[in-house]
Amino acid sequence: NAGVTQTPKFRILKIGQSMTLQCAQDMNHNYMYWYRQDPGMGLKLIYYSVGAGITDKGEVPNGYNVSRSTTEDFPLRLELAAPSQTSVYFCASSLDIQRAFFGQGTRLTVV
Amino acid sequence: KQEVTQIPAALSVPEGENLVLNCSFTDSAIYNLQWFRQDPGKGLTSLLLIQSSQREQTSGRLNASLDKSSGRSTLYIAASQPGDSATYLCAVRPREYGNKLVFGAGTILRVKS
Repeated sequence: NAGVTQTPKFRILKIGQSMTLQCAQDMNHNYMYWYRQDPGMGLKLIYYSVGAGITDKGEVPNGYNVSRSTTEDFPLRLELAAPSQTSVYFCASSLDIQRAFFGQGTRLTVV
Repeated sequence: KQEVTQIPAALSVPEGENLVLNCSFTDSAIYNLQWFRQDPGKGLTSLLLIQSSQREQTSGRLNASLDKSSGRSTLYIAASQPGDSATYLCAVRPREYGNKLVFGAGTILRVKS
């Protein structure tokens, strides 16, 4: 049982480049989330989804986009990367409002 | 707006000591509260989930309590071990927007051998 799988684990982007962070879960969870974690800070919600075809903004959505075409996948798109987007990104999933499970994270550096 | 605070920010204890980590939240209208462990450079591992109707949950040497009316939760770790060294995060799921988790900044725990 893989749980929540994120790819890639590490990435370096140049300012202005774009990329997609992949997230997949195999637990048939309806809720999925993207968080970012900056040093010394708690996790901040970027986007979330309560089911295929339904997404909504979290606290810090600017500079990001998401889509949810299937229950399993919830990719996060970064357009025109900026140094402020240097962070660790976590994807998570849950069955409704119950226990949330997290992926191992993607460490992104924008230079 | 729900805010979550964890005190202390860092804690260093000798091996074998019992310890308590604190989590407070500003709005008592929550569905549940979850404690996580995060090792350096790793993802979050769920430790315990307490529903709003529950007072405590136990798993091995870990015991988490919830006092919803006062907006507090504690994570008790018995007989601490060096392997317990990690960052511990708490998160609440507010009733106002139950499809989100609101996190505290975490407590960095170091258990010295």
